[in-house]
Amino acid sequence: IVLTQSPDTLSLSPGESASLSCRARQSTGRSVGLSRPFVAWYQQKPGQAPRLLIFGTSTRATGISDRFSGSGSGTDFTLTISRVEPEDLAVYYCQQYDTSPYTFGPGTKLEIK
Amino acid sequence: EVQLVQSGTEVKKPGESLKISCTGSGYTFSSYWIGWVRQVPGKGLEWMASIFPADSRIKYSPSFEGRVTISVDKSISTAYLHWISLEASDNAMYFCARFAVIGYFMDVWDKGTTVIVSS
Repeated sequence: IVLTQSPDTLSLSPGESASLSCRARQSTGRSVGLSRPFVAWYQQKPGQAPRLLIFGTSTRATGISDRFSGSGSGTDFTLTISRVEPEDLAVYYCQQYDTSPYTFGPGTKLEIK
Repeated sequence: EVQLVQSGTEVKKPGESLKISCTGSGYTFSSYWIGWVRQVPGKGLEWMASIFPADSRIKYSPSFEGRVTISVDKSISTAYLHWISLEASDNAMYFCARFAVIGYFMDVWDKGTTVIVSS
């Protein structure tokens, strides 16, 4: 399963909301969705390891702010960050764990103006 | 506190072998899949392989099978990633991560091991 993410880069001012998209398709090109809502989102700040934000499409990991929320099904999944803060500067990756190999999207870089 | 601790930066020549390690603590090591994720400088994340310490079941990404070997020593709560013959394309950061008990997503990560392969 190949994941694509958009946009590549998102530049927002503090207080704005961010909507990050993740789309799934088979490596053959067929737009066949995930049979189960097994999508996770990770945040990777500069020079750090990734951190789990969301699993099961919409469940926040322990300790994650409620400003982060996930939604979606089938082929289209979204990470929403409300009231963006300077500390949200990072690359955000989606990952599907419906089918092995467990693949990541290429990431969306969030810049803060 | 649940923690993973990886071995340090490695500098190797092409053709040399390498084994990097990841030691878990603060949880029942044998009960969770543990795996490796590669990140080439400036690029994204790639899942490479995972192992279940209790019975050594292994899963490899087709992109890495045959290029690396994952193993575990559950007596010391340590997982390993091994190369027989490094190539320049193996230059990367390698993250060790624990997989959640409820699914193959990664809920605990360590800081990463930098592997530099240069002649």
